[in-house]
Amino acid sequence: GAGVSQTPSNKVTEKGKYVELRCDPISGHTALYWYRQSLGQGPEFLIYFQGTGAADDSGLPNDRFFAVRPEGSVSTLKIQRTERGDSAVYLCASSSDSHNEQFFGPGTRLTVL
Amino acid sequence: AQSVTQPDIHITVSEGASLELRCNYSYGATPYLFWYVQSPGQGLQLLLKYFSGDTLVQGIKGFEAEFKRSQSSFNLRKPSVHWSDAAEYFCAVALSNFGNEKLTFGTGTRLTIIP
Repeated sequence: GAGVSQTPSNKVTEKGKYVELRCDPISGHTALYWYRQSLGQGPEFLIYFQGTGAADDSGLPNDRFFAVRPEGSVSTLKIQRTERGDSAVYLCASSSDSHNEQFFGPGTRLTVL
Repeated sequence: AQSVTQPDIHITVSEGASLELRCNYSYGATPYLFWYVQSPGQGLQLLLKYFSGDTLVQGIKGFEAEFKRSQSSFNLRKPSVHWSDAAEYFCAVALSNFGNEKLTFGTGTRLTIIP
């Protein structure tokens, strides 16, 4: 596609439930990033993939958060046993090897009730 | 660890007036610097970036930014704002552009334009 896409655009869930957030990067982009943006804050880094492997997962807040990119394209961010504090906009970005410009998707707004 | 400070949470500017948004970073070496804009319901869009060379960089939509090493600053400017510039602006830093590096963002500055 023309840009980074994320689905769903909005997700409402109950505390304790499991959620999956999907990111489709720009075709051909080998690097993929997940960020989380809480209300009134700037995006905070979660995890970075180069190809299929997680090159840096230092931003994942705890072991309830996990992300995969099995074929080096689409990525899924998985959150287990959601908590109200997980409510935020989850942003995905992709970039090519030759630039450091990251192209961002519109985000998924997660609300945990 | 690197950090980014945007001291102005909210700025209001009249349409046609000049604009300067402040950004300071904390890092032992020169990081790679970015300004992004986020409009309501839209993704983050890159306005401009600085890696090296000329310290005054030009971006899209008539924006420019100046890197000042002595002040650890990378302020964003525009000589005449338009109503469509109303948005949230984020300064960000990365450690390197060799390979791909995570961005560290400031908390953002919300820009309001009044007629």
